[in-house]
Amino acid sequence: DGGITQSPKYLFRKEGQNVTLSCEQNLNHDAMYWYRQDPGQGLRLIYYSQIVNDFQKGDIAEGYSVSREKKESFPLTVTSAQKNPTAFYLCASSGSGHAPYNEQFFGPGTRLTVL
Amino acid sequence: SQQGEEDPQALSIQEGENATMNCSYKTSINNLQWYRQNSGRGLVHLILIRSNEREKHSGRLRVTLDTSKKSSSLLITASRAADTASYFCATDAVRRNAGGTSYGKLTFGQGTILTVHP
Repeated sequence: DGGITQSPKYLFRKEGQNVTLSCEQNLNHDAMYWYRQDPGQGLRLIYYSQIVNDFQKGDIAEGYSVSREKKESFPLTVTSAQKNPTAFYLCASSGSGHAPYNEQFFGPGTRLTVL
Repeated sequence: SQQGEEDPQALSIQEGENATMNCSYKTSINNLQWYRQNSGRGLVHLILIRSNEREKHSGRLRVTLDTSKKSSSLLITASRAADTASYFCATDAVRRNAGGTSYGKLTFGQGTILTVHP
């Protein structure tokens, strides 16, 4: 059953703590993406990776970090430097970051709440 | 700033009616995509229209693209209560890096919340 999974579904964090959100895909996609969605808003790009061992900052990368050691996995760490981390985080993948005609496939999301 | 802006922000209709949502953008694009999001869930891709296409159909969905006006519309015909969701346009803008390669990353609009009443 191919797809993209995110865990956990809900995450609670105390201020000052780092947390890591998991994203795994078995679609054999080259490109992966992390977005943040705030209530009633669209998606904003945090980081993206077009190939293993390479990633680029998106529009709102400050306070976040990523790694891409495996094709299937693209974890996102929300650091204590992120001033307002409470949000809904969505991971996506697409066939290739270099092809202009690829749709993105989304995971179910992780809702992060900072207490 | 957001590439895509959608109109209206919210739309409420009765089952059986048609729903039209509009999206405007600012820069040249490779393609424009429409996605659907049910409350608290991930996005699902609906349809992609390339910059050299003017209209595309998929089931009850019809998408138009006017590159001269930098706008697109999504029409859902004969709406159903199950169509209730948020709908987002996303643009894959033309970008070139230092090596001259063009590649795409999507920029999403704010979305239109569609409510279809039974």
